Amino acid sequence: DAGVIQSPRHEVTEMGQEVTLRCKPISGHNSLFWYRQTMMRGLELLIYFNNNVPIDDSGMPEDRFSAKMPNASFSTLKIQPSEPRDSAVYFCASSLIGSKAISPQHFGDGTRLSIL
Amino acid sequence: QQQVKQSPQSLIVQKGGISIINCAYENTAFDYFPWYQQFPGKGPALLIAIRPDVSEKKEGRFTISFNKSAKQFSLHIMDSQPGDSATYFCAAAGDYKLSFGAGTTVTVRA
Repeated sequence: DAGVIQSPRHEVTEMGQEVTLRCKPISGHNSLFWYRQTMMRGLELLIYFNNNVPIDDSGMPEDRFSAKMPNASFSTLKIQPSEPRDSAVYFCASSLIGSKAISPQHFGDGTRLSIL
Repeated sequence: QQQVKQSPQSLIVQKGGISIINCAYENTAFDYFPWYQQFPGKGPALLIAIRPDVSEKKEGRFTISFNKSAKQFSLHIMDSQPGDSATYFCAAAGDYKLSFGAGTTVTVRA
C-alpha cells in the first residue's frame, strides 16, 4: 500500500509569495494532520481534520496559514503571504481513528520549505 | 509548554551497546505512548507503542519500559546497530493529539 504522499518535496520561494503544500493520505484513513518541524520548536501540530472536517486548528500560527480538505484523499496547506520564519519541514500524517482506540499516525516524507 | 520532556538530546553508542532514551510527562490523561524513528529526509515512522496497563513491551531489539506512578517511560535499543542511527521521538496522547518530545539523536559507531 502507498503511504502518505506529499508534494512538492522541496520548495524554495521568495518572501511574499503564496505557497501550497499538498497531501494525499492513506486510503481508508479518516483523520489527517499537518505538522511543522523546526530545530527550535520540534514537531508542532498545526491542524487536525476528521472526516474532512477541521476539528482543531489551534496550532495554525496566524491567518497567513490556511488548510483545506475537499475530499478524503486530498488536503492542502497554504501560506499567503510567506515569510522567512515559515521555513521548516511540513509533514502530513494520517490515521484511522475509531470511537475508542487511538490509531498510529503515519507520516509522509515532508515538504522542506525555504522562504528567501 | 512542552508536555513531554525527553532526554538526552543526543547520544553516541558503540555497535552492540545499549541505547537508552527517557521521557517524562505530566498529563495523567495520556494513555497512549508511541515512539517514532526518523531518518534524515524522511518522516517519523512508528517504532513501538505502549499503553499504561503494561509496564514493558518488547519488539525485537526495542523495548519500552513504562512507570505509571512516576509518569516516565523509556526506550531501550539493545545490540545497537549502525542502521539504528536516527532521531527518536517519544510522544504521548490522550485522544487524537500527539504531544512529542524534543527528540534524541542516536549515533551508533561501528
